Amino acid sequence: DAGVTQSPTHLIKTRGQQVTLRCSPKSGHDTVSWYQQALGQGPQFIFQYYEEEERQRGNFPDRFSGHQFPNYSSELNVNALLLGDSALYLCASSLVGQVGAGELFFGEGSRLTVL
Amino acid sequence: GENVEQHPSTLSVQEGDSAVIKCTYSDSASNYFPWYKQELGKGPQLIIDIRSNVGEKKDQRIAVTLNKTAKHFSLHITETQPEDSAVYFCAADDQAGTALIFGKGTTLSVSS
Repeated sequence: DAGVTQSPTHLIKTRGQQVTLRCSPKSGHDTVSWYQQALGQGPQFIFQYYEEEERQRGNFPDRFSGHQFPNYSSELNVNALLLGDSALYLCASSLVGQVGAGELFFGEGSRLTVL
Repeated sequence: GENVEQHPSTLSVQEGDSAVIKCTYSDSASNYFPWYKQELGKGPQLIIDIRSNVGEKKDQRIAVTLNKTAKHFSLHITETQPEDSAVYFCAADDQAGTALIFGKGTTLSVSS
């Protein structure tokens, strides 16, 4: 059973560019959440997608946007990249939206470096 | 805003010793408290969790305790092994129950 898969694993961009990160949830899961993990910090919630809609959003600017497809996979887009966007971006999937109702499974992340 | 404080930031123990990591949370509406282990180059992996209607939970060498009145919870690892070396994160669910708020992590080093 494949877990949460993310691509690409590493990428380097320059300031002002745009990036798209992709996530396939664990088989059977319908809810995808994205987290940003800066070096030496805990993950920070960006947003959650369910039924192809953004259900909840954390404290991130509109430069961060997402999408969920009918097959439950998801994309995270970041526009106008800043140096401070350099981080590990984690995708997490679950069967239901409530974190306490079911285990949240994380992927291995996409490491973004902005130069 | 909602916040989770975690300490210590680093912890070094000898193999066989016990390790304790403590967290406090700010939102009294939090009901779910998971602990994650993150190894180098990997995503966080759930190792144990506890809900607000339970005071203690144990799974082999790992236990978690929760004090809702004081708003703190702790992870206890007994008989530590070198493979326990990793970064450990505590977390609490937010008011909506859909997001996790993480602590800053504890780097545990177990030397043999």
